[in-house]
Amino acid sequence: DVKVTQSSRYLVKRTGEKVFLECVQDMDHENMFWYRQDPGLGLRLIYFSYDVKMKEKGDIPEGYSVSREKKERFSLILESASTNQTSMYLCASGTGTPGSGELFFGEGSRLTVL
Amino acid sequence: AQSVTQLGSHVSVSEGALVLLRCNYSSSVPPYLFWYVQYPNQGLQLLLKYTSAATLVKGINGFEAEFKKSETSFHLTKPSAHMSDAAEYFCAVSRMEYGNKLVFGAGTILRVKS
Repeated sequence: DVKVTQSSRYLVKRTGEKVFLECVQDMDHENMFWYRQDPGLGLRLIYFSYDVKMKEKGDIPEGYSVSREKKERFSLILESASTNQTSMYLCASGTGTPGSGELFFGEGSRLTVL
Repeated sequence: AQSVTQLGSHVSVSEGALVLLRCNYSSSVPPYLFWYVQYPNQGLQLLLKYTSAATLVKGINGFEAEFKKSETSFHLTKPSAHMSDAAEYFCAVSRMEYGNKLVFGAGTILRVKS
């Protein structure tokens, strides 16, 4: 069974803390993505990676960075968490085939920044 | 630029009634279009996708969608709603310039009344 695993389902952090969200996929997918989900806004792309050590900014990269040292792992980093980063974060992976479109999602990490 | 608009943030139907969730897209080139479903406290999973092969696309759980170029629409339907269909549904369009980056609509929450 295909699987995208996010390390934490729920996190509570304080303003200014550094936050790491980890994501691991077991499907040997080239592409990995981090989305942010907010009510009424749908999913917005933060960063994506199409190969190890490669990354590209999505639509809302400000305040975030990412790391992909191994093909199966894609980490999202909040260098200094702020209250407006309270949200649901979804990791996804997919093949490199253009337009194939099927992304496999993790169950999400709900982050609260106090 | 590509985007999708989902009409109606909340839709309520009775069990056994027709489900109709609306999605209109904006794309400068022929798009790939997708519907994803998110059950409570879970990640997203693919319901169906349009990739220009057939305009009527059948998906899982009895859902289908019809691509209408003249109306720039890709509405999701199911003839008879079941309680288990209660979820949030997202329409998405792929970005053709690279890989399978998806742009999501804001989502529609489907409520099924008994």
